[in-house]
Amino acid sequence: QSALTQPASVSGSPGQSITISCTGTSSDVGDYNYVSWYQQHPGKAPKLMIYDVNNRPSGVSNRFSGSKSVNAASLTISGLQAEDEADYYCSSYRSSSTPYVFGTGTKVTVL
Amino acid sequence: EMQLLESGGGLVQPGGSLRLSCAASGFTFSSYAMSWVRQAPGKGLEWVSGISGGGESTYYADSVKGRFTISRDNSKNTLYLQMDSLRAEDTAVYYCAKDLYGIVVVTSIQLWGQGTLVTVSS
Repeated sequence: QSALTQPASVSGSPGQSITISCTGTSSDVGDYNYVSWYQQHPGKAPKLMIYDVNNRPSGVSNRFSGSKSVNAASLTISGLQAEDEADYYCSSYRSSSTPYVFGTGTKVTVL
Repeated sequence: EMQLLESGGGLVQPGGSLRLSCAASGFTFSSYAMSWVRQAPGKGLEWVSGISGGGESTYYADSVKGRFTISRDNSKNTLYLQMDSLRAEDTAVYYCAKDLYGIVVVTSIQLWGQGTLVTVSS
C-alpha cells in the first residue's frame, strides 16, 4: 500500500506560480474526489489547505488552488510568498482496508 | 473553538505498550470520524488508524495492524490509541485528527492536535 508520489522539492521566486504534483492510482486519486492538501511548517502540525480536490477551507488564501486529472492531482500556489515556504502533503481516500493515504511530501522553497 | 489535546506519549522499551489519549472540545465529537496520524523524525506523514463517529468501524495501516487498537468514548469526548508490541520504527510524533465532515470514513483532516512524541528505545 504505497504512498502517493510527490516531487521531493519545488522552488520558485516571490510572485511566481508553482505546481506540486501528486500521483496515485485508479484505487485512490483516480476514483474519488477526496483529495486534500496540507501545509506543514517546521515543528508545527499540518494545516488543511485544499479539500475535495479544489475546495479551500475558510481562511485559506485564494492563491492556493487544486485540480485533478485521471490518477494525478495538483496543487498550485500563485503569487508565491516567503510564508509559503513549507512542506506540502497530498492525501486521498482509497478503496482499501487502509482507507486513507498521504503523499510522500514536497518541500517548497521560496528563492 | 475546536481543539484536540493529545497526551500519553513518552519513552518506552521495545516490546512495551503505551496508550495515547486525545481530548476533543468545541464540536460534536460523535458526529465525526477521527484518526491518528504519525510522523517519524525528519519523515513524512503516515496515516495510522481511523474510527467512525459511533465507533462501530475501525481501520488500520498495515504497519500497525494487530498491534495498535483505536477506540473512542463519546461520553467523554476522548479518542484513544492503545499501542502494544512497540518497535523502534514506531518512534514518531502522533497526531490526533478530526475529519472535515465524514462520519464513517476519513475524507479530509480539518483539525489536528499539537502532537505527542512516542520514543521506542532501550
